[in-house]
Amino acid sequence: EAQVTQNPRYLITVTGKKLTVTCSQNMNHEYMSWYRQDPGLGLRQIYYSMNVEVTDKGDVPEGYKVSRKEKRNFPLILESPSPNQTSLYFCASSLAGTVNQPQHFGDGTRLSIL
Amino acid sequence: GIQVEQSPPDLILQEGANSTLRCNFSDSVNNLQWFHQNPWGQLINLFYIPSGTKQNGRLSATTVATERYSLLYISSSQTTDSGVYFCAVFNKAAGNKLTFGGGTRVLVKP
Repeated sequence: EAQVTQNPRYLITVTGKKLTVTCSQNMNHEYMSWYRQDPGLGLRQIYYSMNVEVTDKGDVPEGYKVSRKEKRNFPLILESPSPNQTSLYFCASSLAGTVNQPQHFGDGTRLSIL
Repeated sequence: GIQVEQSPPDLILQEGANSTLRCNFSDSVNNLQWFHQNPWGQLINLFYIPSGTKQNGRLSATTVATERYSLLYISSSQTTDSGVYFCAVFNKAAGNKLTFGGGTRVLVKP
């Protein structure tokens, strides 16, 4: 089944403890991206990648890192999480190396930083 | 950057009713997508519609790019249509990213 898989789905952790949210897609998509969703602010893009080893900042990249060593994986890294990073996170992908294609979203990861 | 506004913010429907959701954007766009976020939080792509009209079952969408708006029609609404509907636009000049509207929260009552 074609899908975008995020792990974990839920995580409660403490300030400063490094964490990684994984994202994997099995559709051979070139474009991948991360969003966060907050009440009243909607969905905002954190980082995106047009292909392997090509990443770029979105609208809210502060406090996050990403890497794209393989086409299928695009992990989101919080080196020193803080409470303002408590949010619902989504990974998305699309076929070509551009967002100008239908986007496929993972099921989301709910992070709580205490 | 480009601004995307959706209206109404909230909509309550009786099952079987029809409705129209609107998405206005402040600049020209290269594409527009409609998504449904169900009560479990999942985001489902409904339409990829840079211009023209598309239909998918009881849902249809129309984008008039020259006038900078898109409409999503829900006909014969069902309780499973409940959730939040987002439009998102891509403007090449703004970078390789989508800009989302604030969403329309729809509740369909049985």
